Amino acid sequence: AQRVTQPEKLLSVFKGAPVELKCNYSYSGSPELFWYVQYSRQRLQLLLRHISRESIKGFTADLNKGETSFHLKKPFAQEEDSAMYYCALDAGSNYKLTFGKGTLLTVNP
Amino acid sequence: GAVVSQHPSRVICKSGTSVKIECRSLDFQATTMFWYRQFPKKSLMLMATSNEGSKATYEQGVEKDKFLINHASLTLSTLTVTSAHPEDSSFYICSARGRASKNTGELFFGEGSRLTVL
Repeated sequence: AQRVTQPEKLLSVFKGAPVELKCNYSYSGSPELFWYVQYSRQRLQLLLRHISRESIKGFTADLNKGETSFHLKKPFAQEEDSAMYYCALDAGSNYKLTFGKGTLLTVNP
Repeated sequence: GAVVSQHPSRVICKSGTSVKIECRSLDFQATTMFWYRQFPKKSLMLMATSNEGSKATYEQGVEKDKFLINHASLTLSTLTVTSAHPEDSSFYICSARGRASKNTGELFFGEGSRLTVL
């Protein structure tokens, strides 16, 4: 069975500092991985997915199959990045996602 | 972007009563909807997958007679918590995947519904 691990429940950085939110997965096949974000009092929304290899709001994430990781990175954090971040894995059809427990990022001024 | 709306956002009910939560896709047809439950400080737990016009597929450990799911149209899925008990108190979230998501894999989430059973 697939599993997504986000080892940090809380992460606090200062504005302008680099930030990395860790995500490791367990799945024997070829996964599709996503990062979803939930800002305060807003709904979950897609931030980025590994297939598109894009940068959204300055965030990037690279799938490392050797380390089974999909860490989310941003070189210079902004206060508006403060939110709950969920790593998610799609292991099969129908986009049934397995979510990690989430990391609450706080960017301090 | 596509919008998914849940109603009600908050509901308080007495133990033993049934509560219905609606999930609507406002500007797209949702071929598949998902229902999640979120416990405090824990991840989203997928409860069931709902496909329009067919029976929902429940995850292991989720009582289908307790959590009735109906997906009667391409824009509406409902979750009914039957004979609710205090332990059913939780945050319930739906998400939808439309035909446009087929190639992107993106799910669109509702704002969630907080159920409190007294």
